[in-house]
Amino acid sequence: LAKTTQPISMDSYEGQEVNITCSHNNIATNDYITWYQQFPSQGPRFIIQGYKTKVTNEVASLFIPADRKSSTLSLPRVSLSDTAVYYCLVGDWSTSGTYKYIFGTGTRLKVLA
Amino acid sequence: ETGVTQTPRHLVMGMTNKKSLKCEQHLGHNAMYWYKQSAKKPLELMFVYNFKEQTENNSVPSRFSPECPNSSHLFLHLHTLQPEDSALYLCASSQGEGDHQETQYFGPGTRLLVL
Repeated sequence: LAKTTQPISMDSYEGQEVNITCSHNNIATNDYITWYQQFPSQGPRFIIQGYKTKVTNEVASLFIPADRKSSTLSLPRVSLSDTAVYYCLVGDWSTSGTYKYIFGTGTRLKVLA
Repeated sequence: ETGVTQTPRHLVMGMTNKKSLKCEQHLGHNAMYWYKQSAKKPLELMFVYNFKEQTENNSVPSRFSPECPNSSHLFLHLHTLQPEDSALYLCASSQGEGDHQETQYFGPGTRLLVL
């Protein structure tokens, strides 16, 4: 099971700012928090990664509080093309003893005109 | 275009067929991955290869057989599949040794239908 919890779905209107929060209560001390975006019938695409405080790139911002038990992906002024599934990932131990990403169910964002 | 290509993009096969999925990465990466994505389910990691060596087999049935002849190519050989194996099969690569915190670059996937 993934170590993250996200809302299953969200709706927004074009031009609005969208914030998707992910809970990761058991995040490891050295773990980064990574977000991916997936469009229908395509592979996931890396959006942003952070360790603490705030990270911003040309696509999104990532806010991480001091306790790192949650993170918020912020998409400024969304458009219809931002309709996708957004995944929050941290690491976890596999049954074979390796530490790796586990994709959860993600948040299905629908942007309305 | 992520630098990871997959062929074929779509595949229909009977349960007695043998087919292979191909993945190629043009990024100079050393780690490659196979994922399975079924409808309304999370991505499931199947196999991981680092420097051509398999480092992860996530309890995948033996009817799925991976092959990694070099760091740029990854195959998934399929035989005697079941209808429940119908899914989107995604290949990904990352730079180093499969560290989970490395950015993974995904291909477009192969949509497989088993009849």
